[in-house]
Amino acid sequence: SAVISQKPSRDICQRGTSLTIQCQVDSQVTMMFWYRQQPGQSLTLIATANQGSEATYESGFVIDKFPISRPNLTFSTLTVSNMSPEDSSIYLCSVGRQLGTYEQYFGPGTRLTVT
Amino acid sequence: SQQGEEDPQALSIQEGENATMNCSYKTSINNLQWYRQNSGRGLVHLILIRSNEREKHSGRLRVTLDTSKKSSSLLITASRAADTASYFCATDAEDSSYKLIFGSGTRLLVRP
Repeated sequence: SAVISQKPSRDICQRGTSLTIQCQVDSQVTMMFWYRQQPGQSLTLIATANQGSEATYESGFVIDKFPISRPNLTFSTLTVSNMSPEDSSIYLCSVGRQLGTYEQYFGPGTRLTVT
Repeated sequence: SQQGEEDPQALSIQEGENATMNCSYKTSINNLQWYRQNSGRGLVHLILIRSNEREKHSGRLRVTLDTSKKSSSLLITASRAADTASYFCATDAEDSSYKLIFGSGTRLLVRP
């Protein structure tokens, strides 16, 4: 199993600012994913972040708005840039349980409120 | 985009009763998973069923899969107040990239 931590756990930010969310895993993993969960909604995949390559973004998400770094096999960051109230969501990172399987482990999430 | 819908959107039952949640999806899949989320926290993996399986059990959980109808159900037997959570189905993406596509979720309330 993998233990995942996220920082910060929650934040309240002003419109127009940026927030960087950190995701730390206690073991080396190849695949890491970032999701957004808007209030009362399901999870939507933002991007896949694999170490050594550029993040792959899903339709509707762009690098300028959600830049991602993946410097090594245990760490990733997601930045929410130029925030607006519509960005208020829970942001979750997850990792593949192991290569070749589909199960994912999730971090506890970062609850972001933009005022 | 979401793969499909879950129903009901919300379910309220008495402790000890069984809870059944349904998930429909749109594309062909390799497998389907169920996850649980407590109160806006991280998700916990419950069970995975492969496309060539029809039923799978894990403790008080029973999952069925009907690929001809593109649907799955999750049954929680003898529910407990601690089962109160949101439950999501997730399918693999068509591009075999290990990405997951989540359903809309069912909010389950188990009353003591």
